[in-house]
Amino acid sequence: GNSVTQMEGPVTLSEEAFLTINCTYTATGYPSLFWYVQYPGEGLQLLLKATKADDKGSNKGFEATYRKETTSFHLEKGSVQVSDSAVYFCALIPNAGNNRKLIWGLGTSLAVNP
Amino acid sequence: GAVVSQHPSRVICKSGTSVKIECRSLDFQATTMFWYRQFPKQSLMLMATSNEGSKATYEQGVEKDKFLINHASLTLSTLTVTSAHPEDSSFYICSARWDRALHEQYFGPGTRLTVT
Repeated sequence: GNSVTQMEGPVTLSEEAFLTINCTYTATGYPSLFWYVQYPGEGLQLLLKATKADDKGSNKGFEATYRKETTSFHLEKGSVQVSDSAVYFCALIPNAGNNRKLIWGLGTSLAVNP
Repeated sequence: GAVVSQHPSRVICKSGTSVKIECRSLDFQATTMFWYRQFPKQSLMLMATSNEGSKATYEQGVEKDKFLINHASLTLSTLTVTSAHPEDSSFYICSARWDRALHEQYFGPGTRLTVT
């Protein structure tokens, strides 16, 4: 079946450090891949997405590349800020079959210290 | 980008009462809306999928008589928690999708329900 596995948190970094949050997936065919962010006390926001292999999604300094060969969609940012402290969710929507529901990872909490 | 609103953002109710949460797509027609529940420090749990004008499809383990979902128009879906109990206290999030963009969902800001 379809599933998303992301690294467990919490992740704690100092400001300006490099961030990687790993995400791998299992799916039939070529799913669409997403990273969502949830800031404290707020709802989910789409951070970036990629809909086909080798696509790179980017937003607010974050990037993730759709790697079909490794079934991965790791989130990276070169220099984190305190304001990036949030929970990050990796997710996919299958492109095969009639199921168009988002499949979620468990989320990775990021805390950035000044 | 597409905007989805939820109302109320927070609600406190007494045990045994019912609470209605509204989810609106503000600038697009949402043929499908989803309702999620999120427990503290956990991922989202899909409760049900609703299509405009038809009955909602509930996920396994979700009581349809307790969580009533109505998707009466292309811009509005409601979730009613009936006879609420403290264990229903949670963060409820809706999302909306336009079926010409099956790979995208737009999320509301969530509703914090506390049952006392």
